[in-house]
Amino acid sequence: AQSVTQPDIHITVSEGASLELRCNYSYGATPYLFWYVQSPGQGLQLLLKYFSGDTLVQGIKGFEAEFKRSQSSFNLRKPSVHWSDAAEYFCAVGAKNAGNMLTFGGGTRLMVKP
Amino acid sequence: GAVVSQHPSRVICKSGTSVKIECRSLDFQATTMFWYRQFPKQSLMLMATSNEGSKATYEQGVEKDKFLINHASLTLSTLTVTSAHPEDSSFYICSATPPTSGTQYFGPGTRLLVL
Repeated sequence: AQSVTQPDIHITVSEGASLELRCNYSYGATPYLFWYVQSPGQGLQLLLKYFSGDTLVQGIKGFEAEFKRSQSSFNLRKPSVHWSDAAEYFCAVGAKNAGNMLTFGGGTRLMVKP
Repeated sequence: GAVVSQHPSRVICKSGTSVKIECRSLDFQATTMFWYRQFPKQSLMLMATSNEGSKATYEQGVEKDKFLINHASLTLSTLTVTSAHPEDSSFYICSATPPTSGTQYFGPGTRLLVL
């Protein structure tokens, strides 16, 4: 069975500092990998995704993520965090031929200090 | 981009009544939609997969008679919480996948409060 682990429940960074949110997955084949962001009381917005090809993917809002097969990881990064980035971040894994079903990690709540 | 809407955004109802939540794909057709439930400060829990023109597929532990799903068209799926109780209070989110995209796009969610 597939699973996703986000080891950090909460992370606090200063505005302007760099950010890395960790995501580890367990899946038997090549997964589809996603990062979503959720603001309070809102739905999920897609930040970026990896299906195949270049393992470093660029997303919206200046985010990027790198797929590392050897480490079963798909960490999300941003070089300089803005106060508006404070939100909940979810990593998710899906299977190519599983009707697009997703398995979500537990989420990481990002807080940004001024 | 793909847009998914939900209605209503918030609903308050009395215990014992039924509540219907709509999920619409606005700019694409979706043969499959997903319904999730999210408790405060927790991740999303998949409740069921809604299939256009056929029965929904429910995840283990989700009562199909309690959470009725209808996917009558390629752009609309509805979730009806029947005989709602306070423990059904939660944030319900739907998602849909545009054909060949392999990516789920989420609605804004519906906050249900059962008194």
